[in-house]
Amino acid sequence: EAQVTQNPRYLITVTGKKLTVTCSQNMNHEYMSWYRQDPGLGLRQIYYSMNVEVTDKGDVPEGYKVSRKEKRNFPLILESPSPNQTSLYFCASSPGTYNQPQHFGDGTRLSIL
Amino acid sequence: RKEVEQDPGPFNVPEGATVAFNCTYSNSASQSFFWYRQDCRKEPKLLMSVYSSGNEDGRFTAQLNRASQYISLLIRDSKLSDSATYLCVVVGLSGTYKYIFGTGTRLKVLA
Repeated sequence: EAQVTQNPRYLITVTGKKLTVTCSQNMNHEYMSWYRQDPGLGLRQIYYSMNVEVTDKGDVPEGYKVSRKEKRNFPLILESPSPNQTSLYFCASSPGTYNQPQHFGDGTRLSIL
Repeated sequence: RKEVEQDPGPFNVPEGATVAFNCTYSNSASQSFFWYRQDCRKEPKLLMSVYSSGNEDGRFTAQLNRASQYISLLIRDSKLSDSATYLCVVVGLSGTYKYIFGTGTRLKVLA
């Protein structure tokens, strides 16, 4: 089954404790991205990657890191999480041309205390 | 001005009604357009792409007006199961390409 898989689905943690949210897709997609969704603000792009070893900042990259060492994986790293990073996070992928829609993972709900 | 704007709603409509949403975008160079559906706290799911000539999928019709820079979604014969938030997505090209989401329009279909 074609899918984008995120882990964990839910995480409660404390300020400053490094965490990684994994994202993996099995569709051989070139393009992957991370979003956060907050009430009233919609989906905002954190980082995206056009291909392996190519990543770019989105609209809200501060406090986040990503890497794209393999095509299928695109982890999101919070080196020192803070409460303002409490949010619902989505990973998405698309084939690699601008006229193709993105497919989303199930989401990760992060709470930073 | 936001790059992509939607009326947040909610639109409360009775079953069987026809409802339409608009989404305006600011970048005239935008290339691709999509409508997504999102149920509460779930992932967005593609509803349909929007083509220049307009397109239909069952009860759903999407249209693009490049001159006025908006896309629309028409839902006919609304069902209770259509209750959700509808997100428009605009893809802009500037070097690389970027998917820009509207904040969504909430629809409630009432029995």
